[in-house]
Amino acid sequence: GEDVEQSLFLSVREGDSSVINCTYTDSSSTYLYWYKQEPGAGLQLLTYIFSNMDMKQDQRLTVLLNKKDKHLSLRIADTQTGDSAIYFCADLLSGYALNFGKGTSLLVTP
Amino acid sequence: DGGITQSPKYLFRKEGQNVTLSCEQNLNHDAMYWYRQDPGQGLRLIYYSQIVNDFQKGDIAEGYSVSREKKESFPLTVTSAQKNPTAFYLCASSANSGGRQPQHFGDGTRLSIL
Repeated sequence: GEDVEQSLFLSVREGDSSVINCTYTDSSSTYLYWYKQEPGAGLQLLTYIFSNMDMKQDQRLTVLLNKKDKHLSLRIADTQTGDSAIYFCADLLSGYALNFGKGTSLLVTP
Repeated sequence: DGGITQSPKYLFRKEGQNVTLSCEQNLNHDAMYWYRQDPGQGLRLIYYSQIVNDFQKGDIAEGYSVSREKKESFPLTVTSAQKNPTAFYLCASSANSGGRQPQHFGDGTRLSIL
């Protein structure tokens, strides 16, 4: 499938905002997703956005979508140590298959 | 509670042996999926099923087989033909396969070779 690219690591201080970025190449992507994975666990759906939207906010999470640049970001406000995990961006291809990036490891330091 | 249950959590395979990973959901979802995750990698789709008694190959189906005899169950068999089976296997389900209903994941099964 087409590529979904993410930076591999991000380190922030507790209480700061985190911004995790993602770029995708398939202009036909209809939905874009953010998942969180803690060590040894499955993926937890955080939020998702339809491709005709620019922004979606859900409590501490804000998703921004720039469809022209094929750029998606996830902002976590007031980041806590419990937010330390791997975050995956994914887009939906062909109505069924999720195409995942390699994940961004977020480390939150006290 | 509704959810997706994968078992076992850890599984060991001997050379030449087939092993089966279980995935059960009580969410009444039509679609189910199997993904493979390797260290430092994203997830890759092995097989998916949109409805009972029907399933399609994903990107890396070689060496794997599935069945979908019941709506709530989608077992994955890792056959001896899969030469590099060591990985973390994740099962997911969604109400339908159109994307409006997102995929939800189980807690995974870690498969290792003895």
